[in-house]
Amino acid sequence: DAGVIQSPRHEVTEMGQEVTLRCKPISGHNSLFWYRQTMMRGLELLIYFNNNVPIDDSGMPEDRFSAKMPNASFSTLKIQPSEPRDSAVYFCASSLVRGGGTANNEQFFGPGTRLTVL
Amino acid sequence: GEDVEQSLFLSVREGDSSVINCTYTDSSSTYLYWYKQEPGAGLQLLTYIFSNMDMKQDQRLTVLLNKKDKHLSLRIADTQTGDSAIYFCAESPSNSGYALNFGKGTSLLVTP
Repeated sequence: DAGVIQSPRHEVTEMGQEVTLRCKPISGHNSLFWYRQTMMRGLELLIYFNNNVPIDDSGMPEDRFSAKMPNASFSTLKIQPSEPRDSAVYFCASSLVRGGGTANNEQFFGPGTRLTVL
Repeated sequence: GEDVEQSLFLSVREGDSSVINCTYTDSSSTYLYWYKQEPGAGLQLLTYIFSNMDMKQDQRLTVLLNKKDKHLSLRIADTQTGDSAIYFCAESPSNSGYALNFGKGTSLLVTP
């Protein structure tokens, strides 16, 4: 398996532009997570999906951020309009979540998208 | 919510042992994880421990779990320069659904 695939790997854009980040999870995984990593705030969970349904989006900073998962093999994170403070590395991760209290829900991370908003 | 706490930096000499400590928040976490992040890369699972264990050894890695104090540690024996990376501990809180709660990471620098 190729692992979690993210594109683009790097994105440089100007303030006010729309940015779309893409993620392909590992085939067969049923949960997908979007994280943002900055020096100041560390790794923050933005939103996660289970079986393509958003479960918790409480980490999404504001209405400028939106995420979709139209099918089990694709998700997008959109920022519109982008601002310089959105500059960060955005990670997508996927896992196979099993029921039961003893399930190991380890997450597999993609390589990240480094976003710079000028 | 409460934070998973880790010290931010650790520097060791090549060949020495490294110990990275973590205090987690949810005593009902079933699994606790250690992830490694190398420069410019995503996080990779290094090891994990089931909550009914107090120690797990995997080659150079030893994980110790103290559930009473909610303390987790990662010991790397014979630390190599290739071990220089950021190490994250993560818990799986019972009230978070499927999400993991990560610490801010410990930057390990191994000097020759």
